[in-house]
Amino acid sequence: EDKVVQSPLSLVVHEGDTVTLNCSYEVTNFRSLLWYKQEKKAPTFLFMLTSSGIEKKSGRLSSILDKKELFSILNITATQTGDSAIYLCANAGGTSYGKLTFGQGTILTVHP
Amino acid sequence: NAGVTQTPKFRVLKTGQSMTLLCAQDMNHEYMYWYRQDPGMGLRLIHYSVGEGTTAKGEVPDGYNVSRLKKQNFLLGLESAAPSQTSVYFCASSLAGHIMNTEAFFGQGTRLTVV
Repeated sequence: EDKVVQSPLSLVVHEGDTVTLNCSYEVTNFRSLLWYKQEKKAPTFLFMLTSSGIEKKSGRLSSILDKKELFSILNITATQTGDSAIYLCANAGGTSYGKLTFGQGTILTVHP
Repeated sequence: NAGVTQTPKFRVLKTGQSMTLLCAQDMNHEYMYWYRQDPGMGLRLIHYSVGEGTTAKGEVPDGYNVSRLKKQNFLLGLESAAPSQTSVYFCASSLAGHIMNTEAFFGQGTRLTVV
């Protein structure tokens, strides 16, 4: 059975800090790994990673995948209070194409 | 551009009552999903559908039924609600057929409380 584990489960930082969120996975048939940000309501898409070692960036957020070691990290630099959210990692793969298996999520709180 | 729309947004049920959650998407996506989200558990897949007229069980299907009579709609039913089904329910859809299109788009969620 596919498994996705995120760490830490929660993190409290101050504005300006840099954070690294971790996601490890065990899957039978890897296709891609996705990161989502969830604030009050629906998760919103951040990144999709399919190739090992290639960093995806969007402003202060970046993510990289290591397919050999089966993990991904999400970095946020110069954090702002608006970065406070649940960050979800998901694997797309397994026996059912398109089905996402989510980790537990990391709750990030950024204090002013 | 509506995307994925869930109704209702909130609902309180008594134990034993039944209800149906409706999910509608206007992106012509083949795949649709129902997830539940509980504190510390992430999103867990209840049922999913790979196309009109087809459904399959996910990780936590017990106590739920689904139907996909039309491509754009995916219904989640609770026949006899239990307090353990108190949760936030998310519907999602994705375009199948290409490895780069497994991004799922989510609805705004339904907060269900069973008392």
